[in-house]
Amino acid sequence: AQSVTQLDSQVPVFEEAPVELRCNYSSSVSVYLFWYVQYPNQGLQLLLKYLSGSTLVKGINGFEAEFNKSQTSFHLRKPSVHISDTAEYFCAVSVPGNTPLVFGKGTRLSVIA
Amino acid sequence: EAQVTQNPRYLITVTGKKLTVTCSQNMNHEYMSWYRQDPGLGLRQIYYSMNVEVTDKGDVPEGYKVSRKEKRNFPLILESPSPNQTSLYFCASSRGGTGTYEQYFGPGTRLTVT
Repeated sequence: AQSVTQLDSQVPVFEEAPVELRCNYSSSVSVYLFWYVQYPNQGLQLLLKYLSGSTLVKGINGFEAEFNKSQTSFHLRKPSVHISDTAEYFCAVSVPGNTPLVFGKGTRLSVIA
Repeated sequence: EAQVTQNPRYLITVTGKKLTVTCSQNMNHEYMSWYRQDPGLGLRQIYYSMNVEVTDKGDVPEGYKVSRKEKRNFPLILESPSPNQTSLYFCASSRGGTGTYEQYFGPGTRLTVT
């Protein structure tokens, strides 16, 4: 079965600084990878996804992630964060077939003015 | 507007009193699921449904029931709630369940069982 590890539970960062949120996965087969964002008091929404093809994936709000098969990682990056990026970020993995998404435990990003 | 709605958004109840949390989507999605979110544990799937009358257990199904009589609705039923079911619950839907489709989440239902 697949699993996801988000290495940091909390990441504080100053406004306009770059940020990287780390995600590693485990699977014996090929994977699909997702990042979801949860703003305060809201449901989750998709930031970006990797299904196949280019390993650098661009998402909404200036975020991007890179799929690294050898490192089994899918780290999320943004070159310059805003206060409005304060949220919880979830990495998720699935595999081909009718299988559910498996979520990581989340990383709480706090952007400091 | 494409959306997933849940009701109620907040609920405080007592141990053993049956309750239902409703979920409805207007996107004609085949796949629907329920998650619970707990601090430090992320989201864990409770039940999912591939289509009408087709449901299956997720990772943490104990103490919950679901039904899928119509494509748009997927209620979550707690027959005898207990305090360990205090949590934030999310309903989600997607076009399919093959793992490639984006899931659309409802706004969440915060349940407290005393």
